Amino acid sequence: DAKTTQPPSMDCAEGRAANLPCNHSTISGNEYVYWYRQIHSQGPQYIIHGLKNNETNEMASLIITEDRKSSTLILPHATLRDTAVYYCIVRPQTDKLIFGTGTRLQVF
Amino acid sequence: NAGVMQNPRHLVRRRGQEARLRCSPMKGHSHVYWYRQLPEEGLKFMVYLQKENIIDESGMPKERFSAEFPKEGPSILRIQQVVRGDSAAYFCASSPGDNYGYTFGSGTRLTVV
Repeated sequence: DAKTTQPPSMDCAEGRAANLPCNHSTISGNEYVYWYRQIHSQGPQYIIHGLKNNETNEMASLIITEDRKSSTLILPHATLRDTAVYYCIVRPQTDKLIFGTGTRLQVF
Repeated sequence: NAGVMQNPRHLVRRRGQEARLRCSPMKGHSHVYWYRQLPEEGLKFMVYLQKENIIDESGMPKERFSAEFPKEGPSILRIQQVVRGDSAAYFCASSPGDNYGYTFGSGTRLTVV
């Protein structure tokens, strides 16, 4: 039931920016874009979320296109510890999080 | 401020036994969510609870599985008469309300032998 499309895997060199794309062409006006990651078999970790404006925190930046049909999560300086599965989730304001298959990011 | 606490971290049960998984949400969080992750698969939503109420159980199997979040104490996910297919990691998450991100626990890894 995931409403997002992500590449199954990506590689990134340590120290470089990791840009993880996500397509959500059927997003509705009241739906937020959330990003989580899961390192190995640990519990998922919240990264960032946004509605239509770009967002930045200490972990990452979220760039949402003007039509809101896609977004990019940017890890500005990837490290080996950023190797994880990254999930892009579209979520109505009061609904639960539904996880898709995510992107497996390998930092080398 | 402790995070979401789940216990036990690992649980081994024989087929036919009962499994009880506990989740204590973060302080101040009134919403609890349970997810299941089968080996090499993604996280699947099971149930969403608030204190003494089940809000959404659309992901719960119809039989053998139940969840509660009593007025006092942790949330409990109960699996009766476990089968091998129940072997999975079970994650609990909590949030302070709607439109907030979730904080996840470290999970309980259930193995049915």
